[in-house]
Amino acid sequence: GAVVSQHPSWVICKSGTSVKIECRSLDFQATTMFWYRQFPKQSLMLMATSNEGSKATYEQGVEKDKFLINHASLTLSTLTVTSAHPEDSSFYICSAPVPGSVPGSGNTIYFGEGSWLTVV
Amino acid sequence: AQKITQTQPGMFVQEKEAVTLDCTYDTSDPSYGLFWYKQPSSGEMIFLIYQGSYDQQNATEGRYSLNFQKARKSANLVISASQLGDSAMYFCAMTTRGSQGNLIFGKGTKLSVKP
Repeated sequence: GAVVSQHPSWVICKSGTSVKIECRSLDFQATTMFWYRQFPKQSLMLMATSNEGSKATYEQGVEKDKFLINHASLTLSTLTVTSAHPEDSSFYICSAPVPGSVPGSGNTIYFGEGSWLTVV
Repeated sequence: AQKITQTQPGMFVQEKEAVTLDCTYDTSDPSYGLFWYKQPSSGEMIFLIYQGSYDQQNATEGRYSLNFQKARKSANLVISASQLGDSAMYFCAMTTRGSQGNLIFGKGTKLSVKP
């Protein structure tokens, strides 16, 4: 079945540096991918919608200059946290709906494994 | 506005018993899908069950069933014969035809199964 792979699973970076997280669709082309952030003991919150070949759409309150999203191919979206600070420490997870599927039809929205980011 | 409400922050259940996790939703889109995901401590999101707004019958997947009451806008998850491995966070989520497939999540319920 369709699979979404996310890398890295864990990353520790120093404050002020940038870190890149990759989200790949392995056996389908994902024209759209979504990036979520989950703080400890909280729910998943949509950060941005990544669209292949065009600019990402960011949710209110998410800084587009801090969270750079690139969706240069139909199978890869990247999230770069720039000038990371300890408050950016969180769990980041991507998802991709299978194109052409009825929205929400069964198991047609696939999640990556998620990435735990710790900024020290 | 679209919203998912899970009112149970935590639930306990005895092993081998059934448990119901509550979820209510709100949307003006007549076409929507409701999901339940299990999230263990590792963080991965495990798809459990799905219910479409036009589905006539309640969804079932093994030990999981979804009690869909459209008029009440509720989509409760029922787990039968609980197992110790069922201990995790459970999230109810919704997507609509008007969205591109992004999910709106509830706050989640932490289920603890007692031996």
